[in-house]
Amino acid sequence: AQSVTQPDIHITVSEGASLELRCNYSYGATPYLFWYVQSPGQGLQLLLKYFSGDTLVQGIKGFEAEFKRSQSSFNLRKPSVHWSDAAEYFCAVMDTGRRALTFGSGTRLQVQP
Amino acid sequence: EADIYQTPRYLVIGTGKKITLECSQTMGHDKMYWYQQDPGMELHLIHYSYGVNSTEKGDLSSESTVSRIRTEHFPLTLESARPSHTSQYLCASSSTSGPSSYNEQFFGPGTRLTVL
Repeated sequence: AQSVTQPDIHITVSEGASLELRCNYSYGATPYLFWYVQSPGQGLQLLLKYFSGDTLVQGIKGFEAEFKRSQSSFNLRKPSVHWSDAAEYFCAVMDTGRRALTFGSGTRLQVQP
Repeated sequence: EADIYQTPRYLVIGTGKKITLECSQTMGHDKMYWYQQDPGMELHLIHYSYGVNSTEKGDLSSESTVSRIRTEHFPLTLESARPSHTSQYLCASSSTSGPSSYNEQFFGPGTRLTVL
């Protein structure tokens, strides 16, 4: 069965600093990977997705992620964090049979002024 | 604008009551999902549907039931609510047609359920 690990439960960065959120996955076949963001009291919004092709994926709000098959990783990055980026971030892998998502436990991002 | 709606957004109810959480989408998506999310925790799939009259159980065992009589509607029902059902319930939908059949899931805002 597939699984997703997000090793960092909570990260605090200063506004304007760079950000990297880690994600490791376990999946037997070619993974379909996603990053979602959840603001307090809200549903999930898709930031970016990787299906195939270029391993560096650009998303919305200035985020990008890099797929590294050798490390089973799909880390999310942003060069300069804004206060509005404070939220919970979830990495997910798709079960291509059921087309349902398996989520990591999430990383809560705090942004200091 | 296409969207996915959930009602109610918040529900506080006593033990033993029957409740139905509503989920509707206007995107014509064939697949729909229910996820359960405890505070500060990951999301777990509890039900999904491939289309009308199709329902399947997910990864996390749940005492809830679902139905899919119309494409756009995927309600979740708890016959007798208990405090252990206190959680956030998120509905999602996706399309299996188009250039990529592994399309993203669109999520509703969620229903936060508290059972006293």
